[in-house]
Amino acid sequence: EVQLVESGGGLVQPGRSLKLSCAASGFTFSNYYMAWVRQAPKKGLEWVATISTSGSRTYYPDSVKGRFTISRDNAKSSLYLQMNSLKSEDTATYYCARLLVYYSSYMGYVMDAWGQGASVTVSS
Amino acid sequence: DTVLTQSPALAVSPGERVTISCRASESVSTGMHWYQQKPGQQPKLLIYGASNLESGVPARFSGSGSGTDFTLTIDPVEADDTATYFCQQSWNDPYTFGAGTKLELK
Repeated sequence: EVQLVESGGGLVQPGRSLKLSCAASGFTFSNYYMAWVRQAPKKGLEWVATISTSGSRTYYPDSVKGRFTISRDNAKSSLYLQMNSLKSEDTATYYCARLLVYYSSYMGYVMDAWGQGASVTVSS
Repeated sequence: DTVLTQSPALAVSPGERVTISCRASESVSTGMHWYQQKPGQQPKLLIYGASNLESGVPARFSGSGSGTDFTLTIDPVEADDTATYFCQQSWNDPYTFGAGTKLELK
């Protein structure tokens, strides 16, 4: 059974840092791109970061670029999100997600497995 | 960024057919996916690539569309389908999500 378990969430002051972890099991972690997605309270979903299988390529939206860093340790089947210079608008539940490659007339990616989420509150 | 527009809420009776729409601000080809999220839970993948049913998802769920207009259909609706449904595109960077459609059962 595919399992993704996030940890490291909590209350942090604006401007400080926090690091989230995601422990993966039930699949060959090193074979999959991975991502972080967040959901602000009572709001929709926002993609935060993606990392390639080896970790050599990373992708971010402008809203977090330069502040957040996604990384992975394939030997430990673990995914990480280092969040720096946190702002109140970063308050959200952060989900770890597996990216599945699918083939249609093109090669596409879809988030086919999600963790239960880690809550991050940025407040003084 | 590609904006995905969904109607905010729908209310249907069990046994009925419901269609949930998602309109993209620019073409996403068939790079559209649908997720179900129940309160306090993580999103669950239902449909990927616009029309492919995820393994283990009941055949009552189906998806269609290409380009800018997409539909998730549930037929027939069951009480357990009460949830918020999100569309998401992975054709254009960055990946974006719709705001969600809250489905309520009468």
